[in-house]
Amino acid sequence: DAKTTQPNSMESNEEEPVHLPCNHSTISGTDYIHWYRQLPSQGPEYVIHGLTSNVNNRMASLAIAEDRKSSTLILHRATLRDAAVYYCILISHGQNFVFGPGTRLSVLP
Amino acid sequence: DTGVSQDPRHKITKRGQNVTFRCDPISEHNRLYWYRQTLGQGPEFLTYFQNEAQLEKSRLLSDRFSAERPKGSFSTLEIQRTEQGDSAMYLCASSWGAIGNTGELFFGEGSRLTVL
Repeated sequence: DAKTTQPNSMESNEEEPVHLPCNHSTISGTDYIHWYRQLPSQGPEYVIHGLTSNVNNRMASLAIAEDRKSSTLILHRATLRDAAVYYCILISHGQNFVFGPGTRLSVLP
Repeated sequence: DTGVSQDPRHKITKRGQNVTFRCDPISEHNRLYWYRQTLGQGPEFLTYFQNEAQLEKSRLLSDRFSAERPKGSFSTLEIQRTEQGDSAMYLCASSWGAIGNTGELFFGEGSRLTVL
């Protein structure tokens, strides 16, 4: 399974942008980059995914480096509800998700 | 659609007892997954079904664990002769088809097992 590296924890102030980094230097050409988050006492939920191009949705933006060896999840205005563990996962079609420990994001009021 | 539902949400049992968890996936989803999560760790894959067929099992799924999806709808995960090391959150998820380029895996809220 392709491996990702994320910081253990990050802090942000409420209403400020948050950039959550993920390194995946061994990514293969068929690996999609997925981000999930897990709020306290809940199961993980989908945030965003992409292959090569940057992606935007109502929750976040995903910026993918040109060489695809790293990516950044961008929360444009952090709210207290965004406090969660964020997982960056690489997956090819037909594989199953392998979750690492993720990044625990704290949002300060 | 109410999403993926799991039952019970919490289970406390004594070591050596058997426990069973149930998962009802999103109705049109043909794939169903079981994960286990311990404190401070990400979810670990246990097994998955496509319809009623169990297609993959992790080496984490010891012979005390058995999962079924008899009619390709709900699934059960049974743990026999529970041990304290089985204490964890058991998460169920479902998807339509293989995840990858389709993106979304939908998780339930989990069943928390405490083995005394």
